[in-house]
Amino acid sequence: AIQLTQSPSSLSAAVGDRVSITCRASQDIRHDLAWYQQRPGKAPKLLIYSESNLQTGVPSRFSGSGSGTDFTLTISSLQPEDFATYYCLQDYNFPRTFGQGTKVEIK
Amino acid sequence: QVQLQQWGAGLLKPSETLSLTCAVYGGSFNAYYWSWIRQPPGKGLEWIGEVNHRGSTNYTPSLKSRVAISLDSSKNQFSLKLTSVTAADTAVYYCAGAPFGAVIMPPDYWGQGVLVTVSS
Repeated sequence: AIQLTQSPSSLSAAVGDRVSITCRASQDIRHDLAWYQQRPGKAPKLLIYSESNLQTGVPSRFSGSGSGTDFTLTISSLQPEDFATYYCLQDYNFPRTFGQGTKVEIK
Repeated sequence: QVQLQQWGAGLLKPSETLSLTCAVYGGSFNAYYWSWIRQPPGKGLEWIGEVNHRGSTNYTPSLKSRVAISLDSSKNQFSLKLTSVTAADTAVYYCAGAPFGAVIMPPDYWGQGVLVTVSS
């Protein structure tokens, strides 16, 4: 199975900060990577699919980049509602696998 | 707008079988891949498996010998069964759906989650 390693595992940031989270795959997955946001007690919400495509309704401050094995989720200006845990997911092959998560906390 | 509502037993004893059902409202049931994903308390997400509109399935290897995902297209429902549960299977279980088409899509529609606790 493909392993996804996210970094950092957690970070502290202030409202307005630019934040980047990386996801490294154990093998080439082309552009087949998605990003999710999960708030406490809630189901994950799809933010980005196919590495850089913004899901309908997701604010444009979220963006995705990368290809192959290295991917980045960027939040250009952190808002109060963005404090949450973020997960990457590869849908290149089966079994699908998630990264371990990155918790974004308030500084 | 597709909505998923899931239910099932929330407390099981070791060795029992976990059984969850997810009902789909809105959209075309046969135009989606349907998945189950779980999350142990305080931990990350784990993909369990997926079924397509033809009933073909894929499972994560660590659970493959104990898991079955099935469809009931007449009721717009899909189900998860996990046999011989242990405390390690304690988690919030989510059902989810992804539309299929020219582009592979990850799950976009999610159920509310059901906490399943395994304890003697």
